[in-house]
Amino acid sequence: ETGVTQTPRHLVMGMTNKKSLKCEQHLGHNAMYWYKQSAKKPLELMFVYNFKEQTENNSVPSRFSPECPNSSHLFLHLHTLQPEDSALYLCASSQGASGGTDTQYFGPGTRLTVL
Amino acid sequence: GQQVMQIPQYQHVQEGEDFTTYCNSSTTLSNIQWYKQRPGGHPVFLIQLVKSGEVKKQKRLTFQFGEAKKNSSLHITATQTTDVGTYFCAGPVSGGTASKLTFGTGTRLQVTL
Repeated sequence: ETGVTQTPRHLVMGMTNKKSLKCEQHLGHNAMYWYKQSAKKPLELMFVYNFKEQTENNSVPSRFSPECPNSSHLFLHLHTLQPEDSALYLCASSQGASGGTDTQYFGPGTRLTVL
Repeated sequence: GQQVMQIPQYQHVQEGEDFTTYCNSSTTLSNIQWYKQRPGGHPVFLIQLVKSGEVKKQKRLTFQFGEAKKNSSLHITATQTTDVGTYFCAGPVSGGTASKLTFGTGTRLQVTL
C-alpha cells in the first residue's frame, strides 16, 4: 500500500536534537492525523487537521509541533524530546467527513527512539 | 471522556480454533470500525458497522454491532496463521469536523500450528 507514506521509517535522536517526521498522502483526502502508539497502550490521537486547519490538539506537549502546509502533507516537528516519547508515530488520512463515518488510512509509521 | 475497551488483551490459539474479541464503549456509538495491525505493520481498515444489531461477514470473519450500539464483536472461524496480529475496534468521537476516532485497547492474536 502506498496511499500514505511516512519518512523516515526509523529515527534515533538525542534529547537535545531537533528532527521532523514527514507524512504524505496520495488519496485526495482532506483530513490528516498524527497518532502515537506505545507498547501496551492504545493508539493515542495527537493532532487532527481538516482542510489544512488544525481541529484537534489532544493535550500534546509543546515539544511536538505539527505543520500541515496543504491537504497532502503533514509534518511533526520534534524538539527536546524525552525518552518516554519513544514510540511508533503513525500518520493517517481520511476524506474528512463529519460524524466519524469515513475510514482512516494509515502510513507505515516512524519508529522513534529517544536516547 | 469516551473509553473503548477490548477483551481479551491477548489470545493464543492453535490453527483451526475459533477466536473472538469483544469491544465495549462507555458511550453509544453512531458506528464502529475494525482495524487489523500485523506485527511490525500499521492498522488497516477491515469493516464498518452502522446499524443496531448489524452483522457482517468477510470470509471467516464475522462482525457484530450490539443492539444498544455500545458493543461489538469480531469472531474468526478456523483461525489461520495469516490471522496473526492485533485487532482494534474504533468508535467516532462526537462533535468535530473530521473523522476523529477513539481506538480500543486492542486484542493481540497469536496463532500457532
